[in-house]
Parts: sequence; C-alpha cells; structure tokens
Amino acid sequence: EPEVTQTPSHQVTQMGQEVILRCVPISNHLYFYWYRQILGQKVEFLVSFYNNEISEKSEIFDDQFSVERPDGSNFTLKIRSTKLEDSAMYFCASSVGGPPQPQHFGDGTRLSIL
Amino acid sequence: QKEVEQNSGPLSVPEGAIASLNCTYSDRVSQSFFWYRQYSGKSPELIMSIYSNGDKEDGRFTAQLNKASQYVSLLIRDSQPSDSATYLCAERGRDDKIIFGKGTRLHILP
Repeated sequence: EPEVTQTPSHQVTQMGQEVILRCVPISNHLYFYWYRQILGQKVEFLVSFYNNEISEKSEIFDDQFSVERPDGSNFTLKIRSTKLEDSAMYFCASSVGGPPQPQHFGDGTRLSIL
Repeated sequence: QKEVEQNSGPLSVPEGAIASLNCTYSDRVSQSFFWYRQYSGKSPELIMSIYSNGDKEDGRFTAQLNKASQYVSLLIRDSQPSDSATYLCAERGRDDKIIFGKGTRLHILP
C-alpha cells in the first residue's frame, strides 16, 4: 500500500538554527499538509498546499515557517531560527483530493530543539 | 473557533467486548468526519471516514454520525488487546484542514 514517507525520523538541532523536514507524499496525491503534535497534546494543523501554493495556514504557521515542493516528489517544511517550543512531532499528510477526502499521514519527524 | 471534543479516558474495556468512543463537534458546516488510531509515539492511522448521517461499518468498526446532534461515535466490536491506542476524532469542513480532538485513550483488558 502506498505510504507517505518522512525523513529524518529524528532531528536534533540547536536553538536558533534552521531545519528542513522532508516528505514524499503518495504519488497520485495532489494535496499536501503539515501538522505538528507537541508531546501529550493534540495534533495541530499547520499548513495545506495545493497547485504549488499554500491554500490555508494556521496561526502557528508564521514567518518562521515555509513550505516548498522543490520537485515532483518532495514536499518540505523549513523552520528558521528554531525555538525550544518548536520541539514536537511533525507529520506530513497527503490527500488525493480536497474535502471530503481523508488525509494519510507519514510516520513523522521528531524534532528536538536544544 | 471550531472544536472537536472527546473524553480523554482512559476507557477500559474487557477483551471481546464492544468499545464505544464518542466525539462532539462545534462547527455545523463540517462535512466529513474521521477516526484515526494513534499508538504511542506513532502517527495517526486512518480507521474510518463518514460523511452522511447514519452508520458505516467496516469489519469490526462502525462509525455513527448524527449531524443534528453534532455527534460522531466509533464502535469497536470484539475488542482485541491490539486495539489499545488513542483514538482521534477529526472533522473537515469546507476548508482544507482537519481539526483533531485530543483523543480518547482506549485500554483493552486481556
């Protein structure tokens, strides 16, 4: 069964540094998403991406964050000037279509900011 | 602000019994609803999706939706120890994001 793949599985970074989290969505999917889950808390929407542009973003997704689809397969989340509170699991998801299609999640990247 | 509410649990159910998980949502225009299962330290895994009022069955799982009451539930029949996990209720409106509840921890007692 096709999967969303994310790399790395764990990223440790010094506060203030930039990180790039990578995702390969399911190949025939057209909608891409990033979510985060702080330890012990609920999964929170960050951003959705369709047709090479952001379609929606949450209050969390401020100027510190950016997304890119640099080629036909990868979808990346860049976090600039990381802060301690950015430590979380970051999940990439993809969907074959917009609402009401379900989203399928990757295994996540655990980001630890020191 | 749209909210999805779930009892955090833990909900303890004997093996072989029916587990009943409940969820309410605040946004009347929500169109689609999902149940995800999340094992500790793992990603959400889609279990069921439901879009219309009534019941939808898939194997041991039955999702129930009542839009008038803004209520979604998940029944797990013949509960197994491997069903022990956190179950996330989620809704998706006309916009492009999924709103998750905090999840209900389910513990199946062997």
